[in-house]
Amino acid sequence: DAGVTQSPTHLIKTRGQQVTLRCSPKSGHDTVSWYQQALGQGPQFIFQYYEEEERQRGNFPDRFSGHQFPNYSSELNVNALLLGDSALYLCASSLKSGSGVSYEQYFGPGTRLTVT
Amino acid sequence: DAKTTQPTSMDCAEGRAANLPCNHSTISGNEYVYWYRQIHSQGPQYIIHGLKNNETNEMASLIITEDRKSSTLILPHATLRDTAVYYCIVTRLMKTSYDKVIFGPGTSLSVIP
Repeated sequence: DAGVTQSPTHLIKTRGQQVTLRCSPKSGHDTVSWYQQALGQGPQFIFQYYEEEERQRGNFPDRFSGHQFPNYSSELNVNALLLGDSALYLCASSLKSGSGVSYEQYFGPGTRLTVT
Repeated sequence: DAKTTQPTSMDCAEGRAANLPCNHSTISGNEYVYWYRQIHSQGPQYIIHGLKNNETNEMASLIITEDRKSSTLILPHATLRDTAVYYCIVTRLMKTSYDKVIFGPGTSLSVIP
């Protein structure tokens, strides 16, 4: 059973460029969340996708956008890259339950983005 | 802002129990307490969660006070592989989506030989 996978592992971009990061959730999961983790800090919530719609969003500008596909995989897009966007980008998947029972999130290994 | 406060760092001798405290004095009745850990250069790993009862699984035990304003994560026999940053998080489960999951800076646990 494959866990959460992310691609690419590492990425180097130049200021002003655009980047797309990809995430495949754990088998059977339907909800994907994205986080940004700067060096030495805890992960910061970017947004969450469920049923192909953005459901929750953290305090991130519109330069950060995403998409969820019918197979539950997801993309994170960042436009007009800034030096401050350099970070580890984490994807987490979970299973939404109509019963309200809480489920844990499974995190991928992350994509290390460096903006020069 | 994170809804929890944790000590910045802790040490624990290998083989001893590691007790990691967390304060969540503003927790609401429908918020769960979750614990995750992050080993260097890896994604966070789920450990355990609870609402108001104490919980135990193969990794750890979670003790939640009766007023739910604080909790303690217990690793019964710490090993060197338990050296990591431990995050305590409170979050709701909404019917149509999850609440925003807010990570604080966590507690850096060092297990010492």
